[in-house]
Amino acid sequence: DIQMTQSPSSLSASVGDRVTISCQASQDLTNHLNWYQQKPGKAPKLLISDASNLESGVPSRFSGSGSGTDFTFTISSLQPEDIATYYCQQYDIVPYTFGQGTKLEIK
Amino acid sequence: QVTLRESGPALVKPTQTLTLTCTFSGFSLSTSGMCVSWIRQPPGKALEWLARIDWDDDKYYSTSLKTRLTISKDTSKNQVVLTMTNVDPVDTATYYCTRIRLSEGNWFDPWGQGTLVTVSS
Repeated sequence: DIQMTQSPSSLSASVGDRVTISCQASQDLTNHLNWYQQKPGKAPKLLISDASNLESGVPSRFSGSGSGTDFTFTISSLQPEDIATYYCQQYDIVPYTFGQGTKLEIK
Repeated sequence: QVTLRESGPALVKPTQTLTLTCTFSGFSLSTSGMCVSWIRQPPGKALEWLARIDWDDDKYYSTSLKTRLTISKDTSKNQVVLTMTNVDPVDTATYYCTRIRLSEGNWFDPWGQGTLVTVSS
């Protein structure tokens, strides 16, 4: 199985800050990576597909980049409603695998 | 509008078999490229993919759980069923079902609201 390593596991930032989350795969994914947002008590929501494609309706302050084994998720200006846990997920090879998540909090 | 809803027992005893049903609307699992997956999340922990069933009845399973899982579909009822045998307290989790449209890409969207299953005697 492909191992996905996310960092950091938790992050505290202020409103307006730029926030970056990293995701590293144990093998080359090309761009076969998705990002999800999970708010407390809710199901995950797809934000970014194919490493960098922003889903319809998702604010443009969210972005994704990277290819191969190293990927980055960025919030350009943190908003209070962005408090959530964020997960990367690879789909290059089944079984699908997720990162362990990054819990984002407001400072 | 695509919706999925999970149903099943809230409490099961260790060693029993867990049966979960995903009832969906807004798409057909007989359409080429359509798939449904199950994903779980233990309290306070990360997401774990479990299984996928495709429009052509191909099935895929988690490496670590494949001996205990069976996924099936009833296209006429718009349902997908996941069974897990010999459950243990570590199987306590919220179980989600979600759709994949391979014709569009390979991502989970949308998700059901999830159903919490507790394994305890």
